[in-house]
Parts: sequence; structure tokens; C-alpha cells
Amino acid sequence: QSVLTQPPSASGTPGQRVTISCSGSSSNIGSNTVNWFQHLPRTAPKLLIYSNNQRPSGVPDRFSGSKSGTSASLAISGLHSENEADYYCAAWDDSLNGVVFGGGTKLTVL
Amino acid sequence: QVQLVESGGGVVQPGRSLRLSCAASGFTFSDYGMHWVRQAPGKGLEWVAFISYDGSNENYGDSVKGRFTISRDNSKNTLYLQMHSLRAEDTAVYYCAKDFQVGWGDYWGQGTLVTVSS
Repeated sequence: QSVLTQPPSASGTPGQRVTISCSGSSSNIGSNTVNWFQHLPRTAPKLLIYSNNQRPSGVPDRFSGSKSGTSASLAISGLHSENEADYYCAAWDDSLNGVVFGGGTKLTVL
Repeated sequence: QVQLVESGGGVVQPGRSLRLSCAASGFTFSDYGMHWVRQAPGKGLEWVAFISYDGSNENYGDSVKGRFTISRDNSKNTLYLQMHSLRAEDTAVYYCAKDFQVGWGDYWGQGTLVTVSS
């Protein structure tokens, strides 16, 4: 049972926009910033979004993040087949004194 | 370019110990905090531990607290994870990841596999 709650799966067709949610509490998302990572099997996770809505250089602007209260979301517009991956949210938790992850969302491009 | 290379994984019996290393290059290692994150087979990412840039502060996930110790040698640009009393549920790919000015996780290693089995 992950501290942050994500839907286990999401899907969309090429070109479509999909949104992945991440729900937490006042001790994590409510008081700290959110990161989003993309992870493909047997590769290093990739940072997509930091500080709720900032993209590292090299990450396309098709990826965007937002946060409201104790929830965050990742939006991917203009879906490509190469966007098929697992996506994770993460935030510092003040009560646990550590980073907590969501359980991950497997994105399928139909 | 930034590189993080983990090593030290392998097969170990339950109850034994293992030390992982993460060799860093391409940045000033002593300026940044570092993390260990793991992924068990078929499971999601799980944060394991953090150490501050100078080693003065450490934090651990509940599942490893008291058994694992994170450390660093800034003179060798190397991060470590000493793992004791290993359990089957510690079987995972272990990744190291670095902090940056306003966050963490901008660079990760490729991971090293630890298998705890008799």
C-alpha cells in the first residue's frame, strides 16, 4: 500500500491527452513539492517534472504537472507510442521523514 | 557528463550482509545529497535512503531502518549502502540518484540487482 495513490493504469490513443492523478495528504503533497518520473523496464527512471510543474531541460512541453492541495497530476498531450511506460509521483513526507512514491501508473498507448 | 554507476549487487543468503557502491562522475559530488531507491520484481519504486551532501544527515525508509546504512566518501566520489540482516523482500534492483539545486532525481544510475535467496 503506497502512501501516494495513483491509478494502476491509464490509456489513450496516439495524439490524445491523458492525465494521471496522484493523491496524498497534508504531510506530503500538501506541504512539499511533487516529482514525476517515467520508468521503462530495465532502464534508469527519468525525471519528467520537479517542483510540481517544472520540466528539466530536454523534457518536451507535452509533459506538464500541476498540484492543488493534497493532489497532483501529470498531463501528457499528443500521445506517442514511445510514451508507453510506468509513471510515478513522489514527494517528501514530513511525518515519515522520507520520500514517498505513488504505486505507479502503467500507461498504454492503444 | 554526469554518470552514476552502481555495483556490488549479487545473490546473498537471508540474514547476510552486502554493500552497494555508486561511483559518481561528471559533477561535484560533494555538493549534492544522494538517494538510494529500489524496485522489487513486479513492484513499484520504493525510496530507501538519503544522505546530505556532507554526510551529516541521513534518512531511511521504514522498511530498512535499523538494517541499512547509507554513507559517502566525498574524496572517492562514491556513495554506499551497507545492508545487514537481508530478507527475501529486499530482493530488488537498487538505484542511486542525485539531488540538484531545487529537487532530486535528475540523474540516476542503471541499477544493481540484489537477490536474497537461500
